[in-house]
Amino acid sequence: EVQLLESGAKYIQPGGSLRLSCAASGFTFSSFAMSWVRLAPGKGLEWVSTILNTGDGTFYADSVKGRFIISRDNSKTTLYLQMNSLRAEDTAIYYCAKHWAAAGGWVDTWGQGTPVTVSS
Amino acid sequence: DSQLTQSPSSLSASVGDRVTITCRASQGITNYLAWYQQKPGKAPILLIYAASTLQSGVPSRFSGSGSGTDFTLTISSLQAEDVATYYCQKYDSVPLTFGGGTKVEIK
Repeated sequence: EVQLLESGAKYIQPGGSLRLSCAASGFTFSSFAMSWVRLAPGKGLEWVSTILNTGDGTFYADSVKGRFIISRDNSKTTLYLQMNSLRAEDTAIYYCAKHWAAAGGWVDTWGQGTPVTVSS
Repeated sequence: DSQLTQSPSSLSASVGDRVTITCRASQGITNYLAWYQQKPGKAPILLIYAASTLQSGVPSRFSGSGSGTDFTLTISSLQAEDVATYYCQKYDSVPLTFGGGTKVEIK
């Protein structure tokens, strides 16, 4: 069974840093692109970042570019999101997402989500 | 960047009704469009990909159509368990934009 398990809930002050983790199992992790998608309170889904299967290609939404870094460790089947210079508007549930193919495509599996709260 | 505009933003319909949600892209995306369902407090799930292909395990009352800039998600006979927010997403190129969502409720 394909499973994506994000790290636990986080509470951080504005300007702080945080690293999210997503442990994958049940599929060949190194064969698929992965993404982070977030859902802010009262808002809709927002794509955050994508990394290709080998880790060679990374892509970011303008809202997080220069502040967030996506990475993966294929030997540990784990996806990461390093979040720096956090703002109140980064408060959201962050979902780890598996794409259908190595280079992207639709998301066929989602993690359960991890809440991140940025507040003083 | 191509934007996705969903309509309506919310709707209320009776059990058994036919429900249609539209998603319009500001630029052509051929058929690189997916639809997702998200129930309150739950992760999204994939319903449709390639604009019209039903994901395995999804009830056949869900269907998708369209290409280019105009797409539709149809629920042929609304069920109580379909109460959720529905999102379209393009995946032709980054950014992998989502539509604003359509909240479906039972009348």
